[in-house]
Amino acid sequence: QKEVEQNSGPLSVPEGAIASLNCTYSDRGSQSFFWYRQYSGKSPELIMFIYSNGDKEDGRFTAQLNKASQYVSLLIRDSQPSDSATYLCAVRRYSSASKIIFGSGTRLSIRP
Amino acid sequence: GAVVSQHPSRVICKSGTSVKIECRSLDFQATTMFWYRQFPKQSLMLMATSNEGSKATYEQGVEKDKFLINHASLTLSTLTVTSAHPEDSSFYICSARLVGVEAEQYFGPGTRLTVT
Repeated sequence: QKEVEQNSGPLSVPEGAIASLNCTYSDRGSQSFFWYRQYSGKSPELIMFIYSNGDKEDGRFTAQLNKASQYVSLLIRDSQPSDSATYLCAVRRYSSASKIIFGSGTRLSIRP
Repeated sequence: GAVVSQHPSRVICKSGTSVKIECRSLDFQATTMFWYRQFPKQSLMLMATSNEGSKATYEQGVEKDKFLINHASLTLSTLTVTSAHPEDSSFYICSARLVGVEAEQYFGPGTRLTVT
């Protein structure tokens, strides 16, 4: 079992709809959770981080964390074609000194 | 967010030569930086963790004598690919970690290395 699992996609969503990206992790000791966006040929860009159960909203993005189910998700409201990218889920175990473990990413495509 | 720069953005070198890539944190001090490699259509692969003033920690399977890492200051880490071969051609990305509870990581723009 991978430490951080994501569906590779592609996930196709019509413009203006809500895109829902999901991630599960295996280590219950995980403390911090991150979502990165990576455009083709570019490096990852941090878009959200969350470390408490519940929802965290930032503009069109909402991160949701459920530690009991070991599940973290990212919702993108009013999806735009510019949101088409690969979204990487990342998890840090234990302390801030621990390294981040990345999932393999979900490719999201927003169709006009 | 915090800004991390990398130089050069692209480099082409001949087989057998060495290439140095610089990673700088521009608006914060980074005691820990990370070096990743990414092949086309594949996920990020952590190569090593670079700590200021001490030896880097390499991931399993990464040759420390081939990929030399130096973290001489709180804002600069360098990766030197020694005796480069065509199979070393890849996208090399550094990342710097903020100090603090969340300790989020920010990535540099990456360096595309092509070895001919």
